[in-house]
Amino acid sequence: QKEVEQNSGPLSVPEGAIASLNCTYSDRGSQSFFWYRQYSGKSPELIMFIYSNGDKEDGRFTAQLNKASQYVSLLIRDSQPSDSATYLCAVNTNAGKSTFGDGTTLTVKP
Amino acid sequence: DGGITQSPKYLFRKEGQNVTLSCEQNLNHDAMYWYRQDPGQGLRLIYYSQIVNDFQKGDIAEGYSVSREKKESFPLTVTSAQKNPTAFYLCASSPRVALEQYFGPGTRLTVT
Repeated sequence: QKEVEQNSGPLSVPEGAIASLNCTYSDRGSQSFFWYRQYSGKSPELIMFIYSNGDKEDGRFTAQLNKASQYVSLLIRDSQPSDSATYLCAVNTNAGKSTFGDGTTLTVKP
Repeated sequence: DGGITQSPKYLFRKEGQNVTLSCEQNLNHDAMYWYRQDPGQGLRLIYYSQIVNDFQKGDIAEGYSVSREKKESFPLTVTSAQKNPTAFYLCASSPRVALEQYFGPGTRLTVT
């Protein structure tokens, strides 16, 4: 079992729809959780981080964390073609070890 | 401008040669990281450093070495012992360990 697993994708949604990206992790000692967006050929850029159970909203993005279920998700509302990218889930322990999932590729169709 | 720089953007080497990838940050971040990304895959942690003069192995450290003599700099050496060195190498920094990371533009290394 991988330490961090994401939807295998690819995920395709129409413009204006909600895109839902999911991630599960195996290390119960994980303390901080991140979503990064990576355009083809570029380096990842931070979208959201979440440390506590519940929801965290930032503009069109909402991150959700459930530590009991070892599950973190990212919702993108009003999806735009410019949101088309690969989304990486990352999980950190307090010791500093950082583990990334393999990513989910999202395509938003006009 | 604050940020993370990596050089060069593209690097070509012959098999059997060691090569050093540069990573510099002026964000005053304590922690720095090196990752490798292969096509269609996520990032795999090579080494990370929480503070100057200290670093830890990640998941795939074999065939790589690092140093952290200055807060701003975290160079990665890909040695001839690394069996499949061709990849996209990404450096990142964070204010301190376990916080959000900010990435440099990456170096694409090709070894033939």
